Amino acid sequence: GQNIDQPTEMTATEGAIVQINCTYQTSGFNGLFWYQQHAGEAPTFLSYNVLDGLEEKGRFSSFLSRSKGYSYLLLKELQMKDSASYLCAATDSNYQLIWGAGTKLIIKP
Amino acid sequence: TAGITQAPTSQILAAGRSMTLRCTQDMRHNAMYWYRQDLGLGLRLIHYSNTAGTTGKGEVPDGYSVSRANTDDFPLTLASAVPSQTSVYFCASSDSGSGGTDTQYFGPGTRLTVL
Repeated sequence: GQNIDQPTEMTATEGAIVQINCTYQTSGFNGLFWYQQHAGEAPTFLSYNVLDGLEEKGRFSSFLSRSKGYSYLLLKELQMKDSASYLCAATDSNYQLIWGAGTKLIIKP
Repeated sequence: TAGITQAPTSQILAAGRSMTLRCTQDMRHNAMYWYRQDLGLGLRLIHYSNTAGTTGKGEVPDGYSVSRANTDDFPLTLASAVPSQTSVYFCASSDSGSGGTDTQYFGPGTRLTVL
């Protein structure tokens, strides 16, 4: 079956670094997305990885290992506004997105 | 500002009644999607459309129908609502009909409660 696993909740301190992990099992694979979703709002795009390696975009970076079925989102210099849920989604062989349940990130001062 | 709009923002509906959730995008995207989001679960695809005039079933299509008469609009209809359809519904769109390799842009969502 198809499955996306990510931690339910994480807590980090303002100014620190946090890594949110995601493992996936899909029938075929055509890339992995990370989205951010603030409470009561719509998901917004953060990153897309299709090749192995690290993609850096400002304070956010995303890593992919296709052989391990593994990705992580790295958030640096955490700010209070980064408190949100982070959704991992993998593209299957039918080019449909399979979504994880999301990781709720709580930032403490 | 370009984007996706959804209506209504929220709705309380009696079980057995029908309802249409509206979704309109002005980005001229080919593909559109309907998801539901429930606590503790990932977004689940209800129906999708890769281009105007075509639709397809997602993971949880039962009890829902869609149409895509033109590029901009993608309404979702619940013919006879049941309490298990209580959820937050998101409409999304992406540029091409190749689906999952394109970034999907989401509307603000409709919070539906079926009593």
